[in-house]
Amino acid sequence: AQTVTQSQPEMSVQEAETVTLSCTYDTSESDYYLFWYKQPPSRQMILVIRQEAYKQQNATENRFSVNFQKAAKSFSLKISDSQLGDAAMYFCAYRTYSGGGADGLTFGKGTHLIIQP
Amino acid sequence: DAGVTQSPTHLIKTRGQHVTLRCSPISGHKSVSWYQQVLGQGPQFIFQYYEKEERGRGNFPDRFSARQFPNYSSELNVNALLLGDSALYLCASSLQISGNTIYFGEGSWLTVV
Repeated sequence: AQTVTQSQPEMSVQEAETVTLSCTYDTSESDYYLFWYKQPPSRQMILVIRQEAYKQQNATENRFSVNFQKAAKSFSLKISDSQLGDAAMYFCAYRTYSGGGADGLTFGKGTHLIIQP
Repeated sequence: DAGVTQSPTHLIKTRGQHVTLRCSPISGHKSVSWYQQVLGQGPQFIFQYYEKEERGRGNFPDRFSARQFPNYSSELNVNALLLGDSALYLCASSLQISGNTIYFGEGSWLTVV
């Protein structure tokens, strides 16, 4: 079974600074997707960024970028120029690339990101 | 366009009762999945439905069941409620079964007393 580990229960960063959230995962699959979701107090899960395992290039979405290390099974999220609106729980998630099967997303336990004004 | 919509947003049930939660996917999305999020944890996968058929099931007891309708909306049913079923139930939709863009609704808060 796949597992996703987020070793930082809580992180704090000053507004406008850069912060990196860590995620490691365990799988025997070679093709899969990785995601970072943001969950603000409203509780709706919002997709921040995704990465296909077959792509070597790290995904980037505006101020959000990932460092995907496939051999190390590591998938960290970097948030540049942190803003107050970035404060939320951040979840790392994994999904197999199976076309016919449906395993759902496997989530980590989350990292609570605090933005200090 | 409307996102994933869920109802009800909050509800309180008594142990032993039954509950039905509803979900409407984004227009055009054929896959719907359900997740349970207990306070302080990440969501856990319960079911995935595609084209009205169950395509995946997580490690949940048979008290949990679901179905998908011809319009791709879905219901999650939980029988014989336990206190431990208190959680946020999230519905997610995607275009295809193996879609890599998965959108979530705002969830249904279930409290079992």
